[in-house]
Amino acid sequence: EAEVAQSPRYKITEKSQAVAFWCDPISGHATLYWYRQILGQGPELLVQFQDESVVDDSQLPKDRFSAERLKGVDSTLKIQPAELGDSAMYLCASSSSTGPVPSYEQYFGPGTRLTVT
Amino acid sequence: SQQGEEDPQALSIQEGENATMNCSYKTSINNLQWYRQNSGRGLVHLILIRSNEREKHSGRLRVTLDTSKKSSSLLITASRAADTASYFCATSGTASKLTFGTGTRLQVTL
Repeated sequence: EAEVAQSPRYKITEKSQAVAFWCDPISGHATLYWYRQILGQGPELLVQFQDESVVDDSQLPKDRFSAERLKGVDSTLKIQPAELGDSAMYLCASSSSTGPVPSYEQYFGPGTRLTVT
Repeated sequence: SQQGEEDPQALSIQEGENATMNCSYKTSINNLQWYRQNSGRGLVHLILIRSNEREKHSGRLRVTLDTSKKSSSLLITASRAADTASYFCATSGTASKLTFGTGTRLQVTL
């Protein structure tokens, strides 16, 4: 069964350092999402891509966060510089939005647990 | 920001009992979805109900939607220890963006 891949699974970094996360969505899924989930809360959308274009980054802290999906396939989320408050789980998800009946179901990867010290 | 509030925040039941979780949301929706998350893992889609539907079943899951009250409920019948997880409702408007609730932590004991 196809899965969303993420790496690394765990990352510990010091405050003010740069950190990057990678996501490979399910093959053929045009829509890719990055979420941040703070412990004890639900995921919050950071950025949504349709193919290589950003369609929603309204909740992305653009002074320190950036995301790209250059070829419309895999994606990278970067934080520079990291702050203590960035400690969270970063989840990637993908969905298939093509065809006559788009699927609203999202498929999630295992996430990257980030700890900033 | 979280769209939905879930109730209860935590629920502990014995294996074989039914578990009911409720979700309330604030704005008009196209559909509402329920996801499960095992500890420290990604989310798994359980069921989707569209705004023009009132009830939907999938195996041991039953979801209801009341758009006039902006609320939904998830019923898990004959619960098993493997159902122990956090459950989230998520709403979708006109686009494919999902806004998640705060979650219900379900503990099923033997």
